[in-house]
Amino acid sequence: QLVLTQSPSASASLGASVKLTCTLSSGHTSYAIAWHQQQPEKGPRYLMNLNSDGSHNKGDGIPDRFSGSSSGAERYLTISSLQSDDEADYYCQTWVTGIRVFGGGTKLTVL
Amino acid sequence: EVQLVESGGGLIQPGGSLRLSCTASGFTVSSNYMNWVRQAPGMGLEWVSVIYSVGSTYYADSVKGRFTISRDNSKNTLYLQMNSLRVEDTAVYYCAREAYTYGPFDFWGQGTLVTVSS
Repeated sequence: QLVLTQSPSASASLGASVKLTCTLSSGHTSYAIAWHQQQPEKGPRYLMNLNSDGSHNKGDGIPDRFSGSSSGAERYLTISSLQSDDEADYYCQTWVTGIRVFGGGTKLTVL
Repeated sequence: EVQLVESGGGLIQPGGSLRLSCTASGFTVSSNYMNWVRQAPGMGLEWVSVIYSVGSTYYADSVKGRFTISRDNSKNTLYLQMNSLRVEDTAVYYCAREAYTYGPFDFWGQGTLVTVSS
């Protein structure tokens, strides 16, 4: 079964960096994923597509502070120079024939 | 500019029906894979349904047999017909475009709220 696992919460200080993790279930460790950001009371926004080799393509207007990387079953989203409006929920997402899957989301708090 | 605008949400009693619309601009709905995603209050994102460019449709188990995804090419609009609604279907419903065949959701609508309550 295709499952994406995310930690429920993360925190980091203003101006610092944070690395969020999305873990693919066994048997699906080569899959690409997408990262999405959802700020409070807003709809989701596409951040990037992230491949198993770490290559990634960002959505329109996504700043260079957002980057992605991969290692085995892990897919990472790194946000550097944290700003107050980076405080949001972050979801990973993937796909196979007939199914689309979301991780449970990570709530990022900027201290 | 790509835009997706949902409409049709509202308050409906359990067992009732509702049809959501998602009007697209800046691209052709029938050329892309299009999805519905929902978010219950205080919860995460849940995928609901996808329609492929060739017309194939797929559903989450939680809505299979009750919801139907479709599109009107002449109106460049995506629909979600929701029947036999349950309290647990209460959520904000988003439409989302896949960037390419089996790809990430690259554009999202702003969402429409469906409340199922007596």
